[in-house]
Amino acid sequence: QKEVEQDPGPLSVPEGAIVSLNCTYSNSAFQYFMWYRQYSRKGPELLMYTYSSGNKEDGRFTAQVDKSSKYISLFIRDSQPSDSATYLCATTNTGNQFYFGTGTSLTVIP
Amino acid sequence: DSGVTQTPKHLITATGQRVTLRCSPRSGDLSVYWYQQSLDQGLQFLIQYYNGEERAKGNILERFSAQQFPDLHSELNLSSLELGDSALYFCASSEKGLLFEQFFGPGTRLTVL
Repeated sequence: QKEVEQDPGPLSVPEGAIVSLNCTYSNSAFQYFMWYRQYSRKGPELLMYTYSSGNKEDGRFTAQVDKSSKYISLFIRDSQPSDSATYLCATTNTGNQFYFGTGTSLTVIP
Repeated sequence: DSGVTQTPKHLITATGQRVTLRCSPRSGDLSVYWYQQSLDQGLQFLIQYYNGEERAKGNILERFSAQQFPDLHSELNLSSLELGDSALYFCASSEKGLLFEQFFGPGTRLTVL
């Protein structure tokens, strides 16, 4: 079993839609959860991180962690064409070794 | 621009050869991470260095090795290359107190023919 599982998509939505991206993880020891955005042929860039359970909001983005079900979510409100990218979830417990999902490809259609 | 630099951008070589990838972390960052990204495996953690010392090892093959130098730049050495080693190799760096907040470089695309 992989440490982090992520639906690869692809996901295609109209502009303005609410997008929900999800991951599951296997190890309850994981404490930190991150979401990265990766544009084609570029390095991943950190969008948001959360510690333990709960929600965190940053503009149009909301990250949610449910440790009881080992479920990680990223919601994008009022999606824009510029949000079209691959989104990677990641986790770690010590900050030394990181585990990434395979990424979900998102296309927002104008 | 994350502030992390990687050279070269592209590398084409033959099976059996050896290559060296170079990474310069953001100014002040002590931790350097190496990742391999392929289409079927996603982003795989290879190895982490902190202030010159190896801190964690992931799915790094014995044919691969890395080191971090006193000026904090890092090199990833890949030897006896195989076709399956073709991938994007990313370096990331992080601050001492925010180890979970990584900043990625633009990557080196390695093609093994």
